Amino acid sequence: EVQLVESGGGLVQSGGSLRLSCAASGFTFSNYWMSWVRQSPGKGLEWVANINLDGSEEYYVDSVKGRFTFSRDNAKNSLYLQMNSLRAEDSAVYYCARITCGGGTCWDYWGQGTLVTVSS
Amino acid sequence: QSALTQPASVSGSPGQSITISCTGTSSDVGGYNYVSWYQQHPGKAPKLMIYEVSNRPSGVSNRFSGSKSGNTASLTISGLQAEDEADYYCSSYRSSSTLYVFGTGTKVTVL
Repeated sequence: EVQLVESGGGLVQSGGSLRLSCAASGFTFSNYWMSWVRQSPGKGLEWVANINLDGSEEYYVDSVKGRFTFSRDNAKNSLYLQMNSLRAEDSAVYYCARITCGGGTCWDYWGQGTLVTVSS
Repeated sequence: QSALTQPASVSGSPGQSITISCTGTSSDVGGYNYVSWYQQHPGKAPKLMIYEVSNRPSGVSNRFSGSKSGNTASLTISGLQAEDEADYYCSSYRSSSTLYVFGTGTKVTVL
């Protein structure tokens, strides 16, 4: 059974840092690109970042470029999102998700999410 | 980045069919057959319901179907059931630095 389990969320002050983790199991982790997608409380979904199979390529939404760093450890079947210079607008539930479909354009498995709250 | 436009809410009685629209531009919905749809129940993670405009993942009911015309994609739920009450989001690949864009979300209510 495919499982994605996020951790590391919490309350942080504006300008602070947080590191999210995502533990994957039930599939060959190194065969899949992965993503972080976030959802602000009561709001819609927003794609945050992608990472390729070996972690050598990362892609970010403009609003987090230069502040967030997406990495993976295929030996540990884990993803990480280092979030620096956090802003109030970064407050959201952060989901890790497995990329699939043609062109890598959809997500077939999602974690349960971890809540990040940035206080101003 | 601007989100894809969906109606805020759609409702129907059990057994009826409803359709949710998702309007974008030629840079996303209209330019690629890479539209997907997600169902989200309160407090839960999104679930993939349709991918590449009209394909259903294994395990998803055939009551869910997708289509696209021009810059607008649609999700149709036929034979509406109480368990279908949820939020639905469309998503599309976009030819910009923001690779993916989501819709504004539609709350489906079963009357």
